[in-house]
Amino acid sequence: GAGVSQSPRYKVAKRGQDVALRCDPISGHVSLFWYQQALGQGPEFLTYFQNEAQLDKSGLPSDRFFAERPEGSVSTLKIQRTQQEDSAVYLCASSSDRGALYYTFGSGTRLTVV
Amino acid sequence: GQNIDQPTEMTATEGAIVQINCTYQTSGFNGLFWYQQHAGEAPTFLSYNVLDGLEEKGRFSSFLSRSKGYSYLLLKELQMKDSASYLCAVRGPGVRIGSYIPTFGRGTSLIVHP
Repeated sequence: GAGVSQSPRYKVAKRGQDVALRCDPISGHVSLFWYQQALGQGPEFLTYFQNEAQLDKSGLPSDRFFAERPEGSVSTLKIQRTQQEDSAVYLCASSSDRGALYYTFGSGTRLTVV
Repeated sequence: GQNIDQPTEMTATEGAIVQINCTYQTSGFNGLFWYQQHAGEAPTFLSYNVLDGLEEKGRFSSFLSRSKGYSYLLLKELQMKDSASYLCAVRGPGVRIGSYIPTFGRGTSLIVHP
């Protein structure tokens, strides 16, 4: 596609509910990143894929967070048993390779846990 | 890891020039990025520096000094639409050899007033 697409745009979840956030990167982009952005803060790194391989998940805040990219294109970030502190905007970014000159971000999914 | 510092907020007058500074400490350096983010929108790419010096692109310029761990973004002829958050990001090594992860600062909120 022409850009990075994320869905849903907004998600309201009750505390304890599981959620799944989807990212469609730019076609052919090898690298895919997930970031978490709290209000008034910069994006915080969560995890990184190169094709289907998850090369870095050091930023995932707990074992309730899980990400996959089984065919090296679409990625899903899953959060189990959501907590209020999970409320944030989840951003996905992709790039053509690991040494890319820029990264393209999606518009994000705003998750609100009530 | 990376430690990135930038001012929280700046104000400037329409038509003026503003310089947003970014200092960083990193265990490995593989490029510095500046992104612009309007409220509720995706970060959009502004500039990339990997070598020392000034990169100019229209009204925006970005400078890098690797020895000082310092960069700045210079915005000229400010317009009201330039009111946004400006994110400095440093690309450094991830946990897996050969992977590189952009780490973002908290962002500088720029307010342009008439």
